[in-house]
Amino acid sequence: KAGVTQTPRYLIKTRGQQVTLSCSPISGHRSVSWYQQTPGQGLQFLFEYFSETQRNKGNFPGRFSGRQFSNSRSEMNVSTLELGDSALYLCASSVGDSQETQYFGPGTRLLVL
Amino acid sequence: TQLLEQSPQFLSIQEGENLTVYCNSSSVFSSLQWYRQEPGEGPVLLVTVVTGGEVKKLKRLTFQFGDARKDSSLHITAAQPGDTGLYLCAGLSGGSYIPTFGRGTSLIVHP
Repeated sequence: KAGVTQTPRYLIKTRGQQVTLSCSPISGHRSVSWYQQTPGQGLQFLFEYFSETQRNKGNFPGRFSGRQFSNSRSEMNVSTLELGDSALYLCASSVGDSQETQYFGPGTRLLVL
Repeated sequence: TQLLEQSPQFLSIQEGENLTVYCNSSSVFSSLQWYRQEPGEGPVLLVTVVTGGEVKKLKRLTFQFGDARKDSSLHITAAQPGDTGLYLCAGLSGGSYIPTFGRGTSLIVHP
């Protein structure tokens, strides 16, 4: 079974631009979560989607948004990029039931100049 | 607010040495997970501990959950270069299945 895939793997943007990241979960998984990882703050939860609905949300500004499609693929969008948005963005998929294992993708490395 | 504190932040050791990584919190967790993340990859779940005082072994790795379910440790015996990576602990509390992560311990094992 193929793992979680994320595209693109690397991205360079400038301040003020917007960016869209994509995540394809493991086949059969209905939950997709997004995390931001930085050296200073570690792994921080952005939001989780389940069956096309946002089920949980972390403490990030409204510039960070996401959506999930009927095939469970998910996209994350960041508008009006700031230098501090430079990070590794990870998505993780799971079946969707509580307390089960999350499987992480390799991440998208975003650099904002 | 960082709910989970990991120590040490960095660890550089020689092959064959033993080491222990700690994960501490003032909060009680219903379960605690340990992940390993290698460069260029996402975290991979190693173990989940759910009972206070629980000890789990995974080959040369021993995981312990504190009696009060506020802390955990990871002990590696006879470390190998393949153990190199970022070790993350993550706590789950209440009915939430979204883990709260520590900042991680970066381990380098030199041959």
